[in-house]
Amino acid sequence: AQSVTQLDSQVPVFEEAPVELRCNYSSSVSVYLFWYVQYPNQGLQLLLKYLSGSTLVKGINGFEAEFNKSQTSFHLRKPSVHISDTAEYFCAVKGVVTGGGNKLTFGTGTQLKVEL
Amino acid sequence: EAGVAQSPRYKIIEKRQSVAFWCNPISGHATLYWYQQILGQGPKLLIQFQNNGVVDDSQLPKDRFSAERLKGVDSTLKIQPAKLEDSAVYLCASSKGQGGDQPQHFGDGTRLSIL
Repeated sequence: AQSVTQLDSQVPVFEEAPVELRCNYSSSVSVYLFWYVQYPNQGLQLLLKYLSGSTLVKGINGFEAEFNKSQTSFHLRKPSVHISDTAEYFCAVKGVVTGGGNKLTFGTGTQLKVEL
Repeated sequence: EAGVAQSPRYKIIEKRQSVAFWCNPISGHATLYWYQQILGQGPKLLIQFQNNGVVDDSQLPKDRFSAERLKGVDSTLKIQPAKLEDSAVYLCASSKGQGGDQPQHFGDGTRLSIL
């Protein structure tokens, strides 16, 4: 089984400042890692994913994340945020298991609030 | 391509009543998921279908929740009878397959309020 910990429930930041949203996971097997964004009254939209290869993953809207196997982390970063980035961000993990059926496990989310 | 469609968007019922939600996945997506998202929490998988077969329903409260995907396309999730703790957003998602590298695409959800 896998679990995800998002260390910050809320992160306030000023517009054009950099931001990092933290995510740690635990798993007994290799994992795939995902970040999703949820705007108010909407479903989740995939920001980026790590499957294999380069540990630095670039996603949509200028976000990137770095997979660190030794620290079991997958932190999300953006060098300069915009008001429109205000939303809830979810980190998720799925075990690499042949045959499928392994479910996606989400963290509790981090509310990013960008202020002027 | 059209996204995952869900209806209704909002539903208010009294406890012990029944309610049903509908989901139409992205065309060609074999795998369909229903999640429950309680306020302040991440989504929790209730049930996963591969075509019209159930892959995982280990977290579905089967005494009150049921789901079906009879023709391997649309799906319905039903709650009967509803309890206060069922107040949540119910999200439907779909993916091309079950593989971990297959991203899940989410609908906008149904917000259920139990009075």
